[in-house]
Amino acid sequence: AQKVTQAQTEISVVEKEDVTLDCVYETRDTTYYLFWYKQPPSGELVFLIRRNSFDEQNEISGRYSWNFQKSTSSFNFTITASQVVDSAVYFCALSEGIQGAQKLVFGQGTRLTINP
Amino acid sequence: DGGITQSPKYLFRKEGQNVTLSCEQNLNHDAMYWYRQDPGQGLRLIYYSQIVNDFQKGDIAEGYSVSREKKESFPLTVTSAQKNPTAFYLCASGPRAYGYTFGSGTRLTVV
Repeated sequence: AQKVTQAQTEISVVEKEDVTLDCVYETRDTTYYLFWYKQPPSGELVFLIRRNSFDEQNEISGRYSWNFQKSTSSFNFTITASQVVDSAVYFCALSEGIQGAQKLVFGQGTRLTINP
Repeated sequence: DGGITQSPKYLFRKEGQNVTLSCEQNLNHDAMYWYRQDPGQGLRLIYYSQIVNDFQKGDIAEGYSVSREKKESFPLTVTSAQKNPTAFYLCASGPRAYGYTFGSGTRLTVV
């Protein structure tokens, strides 16, 4: 069965600090997809990134970067020089398989607070 | 603009009542999903539909029902059999390749 674990329930840092959000996943499939979403106070989930199991290249998008390591089943998310606007709940999610429902399984989420 | 519209934003249900949450998308997506979020928890899948007139139970389908008569619409009914319906409900649509699109959610409270 697929499972996603975000061990950090809450993180609080001062603005401009770097912060890393951890995500560990479990799956028996060789083909799967990993996602990160941001949930601001408004409640809507905002898609940040999708990564498939065959692509272990790390990715950088502005102040955001993602480190995918199949050897440790981890897909960690780093925010560099954090800003108050980064405050939100962040979810890591997993979707198995090639065909079928392609449903998402979410971690518990990490509440990130950036203090000015 | 394309997207998903959920209504109402806030909903109050009396004990023993059925209520229906609306989810409409104009993205031409085949797959649609309903998730439930409880405070401090992740999202759990209630029902999903991959095509019109077909839907499948998710992990916590008891006490809920859905229909998919049109591609654009996937309403969720919270029945009186759902004993703890107070939660935040999110609708989403695929495909997975583009990271799914989520609506802004409906917050349901039992009064």
